Amino acid sequence: NAGVTQTPKFQVLKTGQSMTLQCAQDMNHEYMSWYRQDPGMGLRLIHYSVGAGITDQGEVPNGYNVSRSTTEDFPLRLLSAAPSQTSVYFCASSYSAGTGGSPLHFGNGTRLTVT
Amino acid sequence: SQELEQSPQSLIVQEGKNLTINCTSSKTLYGLYWYKQKYGEGLIFLMMLQKGGEEKSHEKITAKLDEKKQQSSLHITASQPSHAGIYLCGADGSGNTGKLIFGQGTTLQVKP
Repeated sequence: NAGVTQTPKFQVLKTGQSMTLQCAQDMNHEYMSWYRQDPGMGLRLIHYSVGAGITDQGEVPNGYNVSRSTTEDFPLRLLSAAPSQTSVYFCASSYSAGTGGSPLHFGNGTRLTVT
Repeated sequence: SQELEQSPQSLIVQEGKNLTINCTSSKTLYGLYWYKQKYGEGLIFLMMLQKGGEEKSHEKITAKLDEKKQQSSLHITASQPSHAGIYLCGADGSGNTGKLIFGQGTTLQVKP
């Protein structure tokens, strides 16, 4: 059982470049989300989805796009990378949203550097 | 918007000592998650607390939820080097919105 798989593990971009961070889960989870982790700031929610075809913004959505065409996949797109987007990105999923449901399962992260 | 504040931000303890990490919410807590993260890795789920007064334990780690105080605590008994890492609390302020937020984390070092 692979769980939550993120690719790539490491990425270096130049300012202005675009890229997509991939996230896939094989647990048939309805809820998926993206976080970024920066030193001293914990995890900040970027975007989340409560099911295929449904997405919503989190705390820090600017500069990022998402889509959820299938239950399994939830890619995160950086349209024009900026140095401020240098961070570690985590994808997470759970059976359902909210504290009435199951806990989040996290991927191992993607470490992104924008120069 | 809801915020979660963890204290302390970092902690260094001698092996065998007990320690407590606190997580305080700016709004009513409908439930709370505790996670642990080792450097360079993803987050590992520890415990979920859903009701005021609830207390859960796993091995030497105990977590409690005090809804009135909008606070949760994580207590480690007889700490070991394997307990070292970053501990994060997370919550959904509205109970079922999907917007799970996290505290800034507490870094724990355990000296042998």
